[in-house]
Amino acid sequence: RKEVEQDPGPFNVPEGATVAFNCTYSNSASQSFFWYRQDCRKEPKLLMSVYSSGNEDGRFTAQLNRASQYISLLIRDSKLSDSATYLCVADAGNNRKLIWGLGTSLAVNP
Amino acid sequence: GAGVSQSPSNKVTEKGKDVELRCDPISGHTALYWYRQSLGQGLEFLIYFQGNSAPDKSGLPSDRFSAERTGGSVSTLTIQRTQQEDSAVYLCASSSLTSGRTQYFGPGTRLLVL
Repeated sequence: RKEVEQDPGPFNVPEGATVAFNCTYSNSASQSFFWYRQDCRKEPKLLMSVYSSGNEDGRFTAQLNRASQYISLLIRDSKLSDSATYLCVADAGNNRKLIWGLGTSLAVNP
Repeated sequence: GAGVSQSPSNKVTEKGKDVELRCDPISGHTALYWYRQSLGQGLEFLIYFQGNSAPDKSGLPSDRFSAERTGGSVSTLTIQRTQQEDSAVYLCASSSLTSGRTQYFGPGTRLLVL
């Protein structure tokens, strides 16, 4: 089992749609979680950290379920510019490395 | 402030040659990471430096790969006797204790081994 698993997609949605991505992690000792965004042929960029209480940043909402060991990302009112690969990340539980999912591809269509 | 920078941005080399890739982390960041990403694939962890601690080399794929970090700042990733399967984008990231474990990436070096 991969340490961080994501549905690779692709998710194809129309503009304005709401889309949700889930991610599961295997290390119960993981403490820090993130969603990164990666555009084609570009480096990953931090989208948002994921906090235990859940957090929202504009159209983006991230949630953490420790009991089930999954993280979610909700994108509301999707824009064409949201088209990218979304990477789920969890720390290795040893205060050192981050473990990266393979990413979920999103295409927002006009 | 300046972000993570990497050089060269692109490198084409012949099989069997050695290459050196450079990373300049964000000033003051104590942690530095090297990753490799092949076309259409996820990030593959290579090596991690944290301050003066011994680096975590657990991701290096073979002994042809090595990295050093001089003075706790600039890092160089060296690939000896390159093979075609080494072709990939090599990404460097840095983080600081105050940024939690948030990693900030450089633009990467695209390596093509002919």
